[in-house]
Amino acid sequence: AQSVAQPEDQVNVAEGNPLTVKCTYSVSGNPYLFWYVQYPNRGLQFLLKYITGDNLVKGSYGFEAEFNKSQTSFHLKKPSALVSDSALYFCAVRDVGNTPLVFGKGTRLSVIA
Amino acid sequence: DAMVIQNPRYQVTQFGKPVTLSCSQTLNHNVMYWYQQKSSQAPKLLFHYYDKDFNNEADTPDNFQSRRPNTSFCFLDIRSPGLGDAAMYLCATGEGFWLGEQYFGPGTRLTVT
Repeated sequence: AQSVAQPEDQVNVAEGNPLTVKCTYSVSGNPYLFWYVQYPNRGLQFLLKYITGDNLVKGSYGFEAEFNKSQTSFHLKKPSALVSDSALYFCAVRDVGNTPLVFGKGTRLSVIA
Repeated sequence: DAMVIQNPRYQVTQFGKPVTLSCSQTLNHNVMYWYQQKSSQAPKLLFHYYDKDFNNEADTPDNFQSRRPNTSFCFLDIRSPGLGDAAMYLCATGEGFWLGEQYFGPGTRLTVT
């Protein structure tokens, strides 16, 4: 069964600095990878996805993620963090076949002014 | 704007008293999902509908049922809520099950007293 790990519960970064939120995955076939963001008392919002093609995926709000097959990672990045980026970030993976989307436990990003 | 709407946003019910949560969408998506999210945890898929086809996750308790009377509406019924069922319940939609991103509603926070 597929799984996803977000090794950091919390990431703190100063406003204007680059940010990285880490994600590693395990699947039996080719992975379909997603990042979602959740603001307080809100549902999840889709940021970006990797299905196939270029390893660097660009998404909403200036976020991007790099797919690394050898390291089974899909880290979320942004060159310059904003205070408004502070939220809970979820990585998710789907394996081939009739399998649901599996979410990581989430990483809380705090951007400090 | 097209969106996913959940009602109510907050629901308080008594132990053992049936409760129904509602979700509607204006996106005309063929897939609708129900997730349970407990505090500081990943969303957990309970079941989904692909059009009228109902798909239950293997570990979803029998206490949880769902109805989808038409494309736009989907309901989550909890027949006899226990204290452990207190959580945020998220409804999501998607154009296809495999590769498409999911669009989430704001969630209903259920409290069981």
